[in-house]
Amino acid sequence: KAGVTQTPRYLIKTRGQQVTLSCSPISGHRSVSWYQQTPGQGLQFLFEYFSETQRNKGNFPGRFSGRQFSNSRSEMNVSTLELGDSALYLCASSLEAGSGNTIYFGEGSWLTVV
Amino acid sequence: SQKIEQNSEALNIQEGKTATLTCNYTNYSPAYLQWYRQDPGRGPVFLLLIRENEKEKRKERLKVTFDTTLKQSLFHITASQPADSATYLCALDGGSGYALNFGKGTSLLVTP
Repeated sequence: KAGVTQTPRYLIKTRGQQVTLSCSPISGHRSVSWYQQTPGQGLQFLFEYFSETQRNKGNFPGRFSGRQFSNSRSEMNVSTLELGDSALYLCASSLEAGSGNTIYFGEGSWLTVV
Repeated sequence: SQKIEQNSEALNIQEGKTATLTCNYTNYSPAYLQWYRQDPGRGPVFLLLIRENEKEKRKERLKVTFDTTLKQSLFHITASQPADSATYLCALDGGSGYALNFGKGTSLLVTP
């Protein structure tokens, strides 16, 4: 069974640009979560989607957005990139929504903003 | 405010010994607590989940305890091996229907 797939793995963007990251969950998983990981802040929750609906959102500015498609694939978008947005962005999927479910992470997308 | 605290200092132990990692939390009433392992440049990998009404959970060489009175979880790796070297993250839910929140992790180094 294929794991969580994230694309692209690495990317470099310039301040002010926008970026879209993609996530394909494990087959059959309906919940997708996104996290930002930086050395200083650790793993921080961005948002969670279930059946195309955003269930939870972390404490991030409106520049960070996401969506989920009917096939459970998800994308997140960051607009007007800032240097501080440089991070590893991790997508995770689970069968159902809710914290009692095991979540399976992808390998992440490394974003560098210059 | 809600906090999840793990030892920021790396834990260095000798092969064969038991590694014990700590996760303390404040202003949470989690129904579940989970532990993950993360290797450099990789996504975290799920290890164990323990529920609030469980005191202890074991899986092979791993043992997790969960003390809701102390607001603490301990993660033990017995007979540790160099391959156990990684960062270990604890995670808990922010309440019913909320997503997982992670601690910053503790780095474990097991030397031969």
